[in-house]
Amino acid sequence: QQPVQSPQAVILREGEDAVINCSSSKALYSVHWYRQKHGEAPVFLMILLKGGEQKGHEKISASFNEKKQQSSLYLTASQLSYSGTYFCGTGGARAAGRDDKIIFGKGTRLHILP
Amino acid sequence: EPEVTQTPSHQVTQMGQEVILRCVPISNHLYFYWYRQILGQKVEFLVSFYNNEISEKSEIFDDQFSVERPDGSNFTLKIRSTKLEDSAMYFCASRGGQRRGYTFGSGTRLTVV
Repeated sequence: QQPVQSPQAVILREGEDAVINCSSSKALYSVHWYRQKHGEAPVFLMILLKGGEQKGHEKISASFNEKKQQSSLYLTASQLSYSGTYFCGTGGARAAGRDDKIIFGKGTRLHILP
Repeated sequence: EPEVTQTPSHQVTQMGQEVILRCVPISNHLYFYWYRQILGQKVEFLVSFYNNEISEKSEIFDDQFSVERPDGSNFTLKIRSTKLEDSAMYFCASRGGQRRGYTFGSGTRLTVV
């Protein structure tokens, strides 16, 4: 099942904060976050593998609530370069040595104004 | 920084023709994928490939599609008898392990006319 992202779109002024949410109706083993700029490939930001895990990447961080089957991406003090579409991707639990594909949400378009 | 390389970057083909999209994943990666994206919409899973065989495929990946890893480095997606609705950006991705993120190639824009 495809994860649900919210909001669909956000417009911010440079320096403002944003939160993008991702939720799933099925149990999650992993949550990925990617950013895609127009006409380019998605670029990996981070992966979260355990419930309650938080990861940071410069001023971009994320949390993973395994019980609620949710993840949130936090962008603080946004910069113009943060503009793009953010996708979460979710994977279910698999046996060791076997792969599980990532299913991506529909994306959240983020536009940063100067 | 290691890259996933895709060729061609653009492909225009007539409906009913066969196309082969090529990818060179990162050399020490173990898991390979094809996804497609129609007009900047969601990124749709097509197929995953591990240990020289298909791990999983989506409903989209019907008999029209096939994947191969012919020589241990290239990873190809073949679309037989293309349809207008196959027009999309096709992304190849690879990763080094289940606890790693995907590295995507720059994509092949396929236009079926």
